[in-house]
Amino acid sequence: GNSVTQMEGPVTLSEEAFLTINCTYTATGYPSLFWYVQYPGEGLQLLLKATKADDKGSNKGFEATYRKETTSFHLEKGSVQVSDSAVYFCALTTDSWGKLQFGAGTQVVVTP
Amino acid sequence: EAQVTQNPRYLITVTGKKLTVTCSQNMNHEYMSWYRQDPGLGLRQIYYSMNVEVTDKGDVPEGYKVSRKEKRNFPLILESPSPNQTSLYFCASSLSAGQGYGYTFGSGTRLTVV
Repeated sequence: GNSVTQMEGPVTLSEEAFLTINCTYTATGYPSLFWYVQYPGEGLQLLLKATKADDKGSNKGFEATYRKETTSFHLEKGSVQVSDSAVYFCALTTDSWGKLQFGAGTQVVVTP
Repeated sequence: EAQVTQNPRYLITVTGKKLTVTCSQNMNHEYMSWYRQDPGLGLRQIYYSMNVEVTDKGDVPEGYKVSRKEKRNFPLILESPSPNQTSLYFCASSLSAGQGYGYTFGSGTRLTVV
């Protein structure tokens, strides 16, 4: 079956530091890949997505590239802010039934 | 504003007392789904619906029921809640079930069963 593996958190960094959250996947077929963000007390919000190999998704300064050869979709941001403190979920879908398979989530804490 | 609305946000109930968590979306989305979020497990799908009157089980459907009588509403029913159903629940909707469509999530319902 499909699975998504994310690096464990919490990840703690200082403001303006570089952020990387690793995500690797196992899937049958050709998945679409997503990053969702969950701010404290809120639901998940779609951050970015990529639907085919070598696609780069980007939003709010975050980027992730769909790497088929390494089955990865790592999330990066060049300079984080305190407001980026949240839990980040990597997810994929492969089928026509719309099911999203989520990783366990990575908590990111950015300090001033 | 395009949104998915869940109610209630917080609920404490006792074992065996039937409850319903409502979910409504105003985007005319075909696809709706329920997830539960538990620490260390991420989100797991409970049930989903491709369209009105079309529902199917996700990964963890035991102890839950759903219905989709109208396109905008997708309530989650716990006929006889148990403590292992204490969790954070999210309703989500999408334009379609096809690949590449992102979900819009509700704000969540934190359920405690004592």
